[in-house]
Amino acid sequence: DAKTTQPPSMDCAEGRAANLPCNHSTISGNEYVYWYRQIHSQGPQYIIHGLKNNETNEMASLIITEDRKSSTLILPHATLRDTAVYYCIVNEDTGNQFYFGTGTSLTVIP
Amino acid sequence: GAVVSQHPSRVICKSGTSVKIECRSLDFQATTMFWYRQFPKQSLMLMATSNEGSKATYEQGVEKDKFLINHASLTLSTLTVTSAHPEDSSFYICSARSRGEQFFGPGTRLTVL
Repeated sequence: DAKTTQPPSMDCAEGRAANLPCNHSTISGNEYVYWYRQIHSQGPQYIIHGLKNNETNEMASLIITEDRKSSTLILPHATLRDTAVYYCIVNEDTGNQFYFGTGTSLTVIP
Repeated sequence: GAVVSQHPSRVICKSGTSVKIECRSLDFQATTMFWYRQFPKQSLMLMATSNEGSKATYEQGVEKDKFLINHASLTLSTLTVTSAHPEDSSFYICSARSRGEQFFGPGTRLTVL
């Protein structure tokens, strides 16, 4: 079962930062936080993952609270192509199966 | 990143027929692949874990005799939907692990008439 809760939908103006929250209050010490996104009728695309520290890559930044019970995915300058469903997943290792929650449907508005 | 392909991308079949979906890791070997199903406006639901050279592990509520999984090589897993019915119409997605990341295929749209 999914161990995360996310708001069902969010809007963001094009060019602004999109901040997508995720609650994972039952996360265990060896579980990572993964973020994927799914554009309509495509397979999920990996965005970023982290354990304790904040992470940044060319796509996004991941901010994990000190108690690790929640995290925020930040898309610094949202574009129309970032419109997708964003999934937050906690898992010990990507070799294990993923259980997806309901995700957040992000709509970037021109 | 690593590439996972699926074939076919979409298939339409008559009720009662069987449909095979292939999942391939194109540039890496995957001892474990995963199969998901996604109904419209819903999230991905894990169906089974496909292990190379051994039997698949099915999630609770997934009929193993209806959804046959074969993982005969390190780059290929197949999902066969047997005696398909309209309620099996869905988006089927596979994934495979490579170097600490899990990569997803583009999905297969199955429509059963």
